[in-house]
Amino acid sequence: DQQVKQNSPSLSVQEGRISILNCDYTNSMFDYFLWYKKYPAEGPTFLISISSIKDKNEDGRFTVFLNKSAKHLSLHIVPSQPGDSAVYFCAASRYPEKLVFGKGTKLTVNP
Amino acid sequence: DAGITQSPRYKITETGRQVTLMCHQTWSHSYMFWYRQDLGHGLRLIYYSAAADITDKGEVPDGYVVSRSKTENFPLTLESATRSQTSVYFCASSSVAGSQETQYFGPGTRLLVL
Repeated sequence: DQQVKQNSPSLSVQEGRISILNCDYTNSMFDYFLWYKKYPAEGPTFLISISSIKDKNEDGRFTVFLNKSAKHLSLHIVPSQPGDSAVYFCAASRYPEKLVFGKGTKLTVNP
Repeated sequence: DAGITQSPRYKITETGRQVTLMCHQTWSHSYMFWYRQDLGHGLRLIYYSAAADITDKGEVPDGYVVSRSKTENFPLTLESATRSQTSVYFCASSSVAGSQETQYFGPGTRLLVL
């Protein structure tokens, strides 16, 4: 039973355009959500997070939106850059449970 | 070096052999985790530890053993390696329990079991 779902295994966008990565979850008790970015041969690195009491969090080119009624969150990258090409993992947690990760979406930003 | 390190980075072993993957962090984080990453499965939690001498099972613990005698180290042992344990293993740590949990990951160990 997959609690965190990233239904798009891959996404390709042009440099300068917006990248939108989506994540759905089934457990309405999750109260904290994170995005991690992973380059090949490296460990995942924390990118941005959002608490369930918010619906938006912004950090530079990265914005995460949370729609609790739809149990959906999305990561927007504007403008996209070739260096953003990586695998993006969505994760969710609910105290005292551990983080639950999605399967990841591979983003390719074409020059 | 500061941060979280894993060794070895690459390992080839044979079925039935015992293998230990090492993880070391310099932040004095209380929590440490072991994940495996496989195609089609994303990151799956194997074991975690809330403090020295406190460990607990994650989603896929079978075939693995962990220990945590010191806060900074969290080794993962495959007692008798199987081909299904071929994977990329990531260690992670965090300072905060519960909801506001940002984990910091090591670079990973790529394990091949022949």
